[in-house]
Amino acid sequence: AQSVAQPEDQVNVAEGNPLTVKCTYSVSGNPYLFWYVQYPNRGLQFLLKYITGDNLVKGSYGFEAEFNKSQTSFHLKKPSALVSDSALYFCAVRDGGIKAAGNKLTFGGGTRVLVKP
Amino acid sequence: SQTIHQWPATLVQPVGSPLSLECTVEGTSNPNLYWYRQAAGRGLQLLFYSVGIGQISSEVPQNLSASRPQDRQFILSSKKLLLSDSGFYLCAWSGYDTGNSNQPQHFGDGTRLSIL
Repeated sequence: AQSVAQPEDQVNVAEGNPLTVKCTYSVSGNPYLFWYVQYPNRGLQFLLKYITGDNLVKGSYGFEAEFNKSQTSFHLKKPSALVSDSALYFCAVRDGGIKAAGNKLTFGGGTRVLVKP
Repeated sequence: SQTIHQWPATLVQPVGSPLSLECTVEGTSNPNLYWYRQAAGRGLQLLFYSVGIGQISSEVPQNLSASRPQDRQFILSSKKLLLSDSGFYLCAWSGYDTGNSNQPQHFGDGTRLSIL
């Protein structure tokens, strides 16, 4: 079974400082990893994904994520946080070793990011 | 480009009343479609998914049902709502795949359902 954990319920960071949101996963095959952001009363917006290749993935709004196979992690990062980055962030995983209809993702519980001016 | 629409944005219903939430996708064919519920602004629970017209898979036993009468239309229903059905309901789609896809899911803006 596939699973994903976001160990921090909330991350507080000052504007202009680097932001990191942690995610660890568990799959039996190769992981397909995704990050999403959710603003209040809105749906989830896709930020980036890792499938294969370079361990550093760049996405929307200046976000990037680093895949670390040995640590089974896929942490989301932004070098300089903005107040507008305050939102709820979700990590998701799909086990690429399992061929099953539906392309179902398993989501972490979410991490709330608060960027203070 | 592809777009996804959900309506209504908010809904207040009495206990015991029926429910129908609709989701439509434009700009793609034969998408996978999903219904999620999000409680208390945190984790997502997958309720149903569909890989084609009339094909519905249920992830959890509950008071809700789903239907896909057309390729790009996904409907979430209930005959009698319970207080526990309150929540934020999200529809999502992903591109057609053969069962081993790396495609992301794309979400609508949700329906906030309050049961009184």
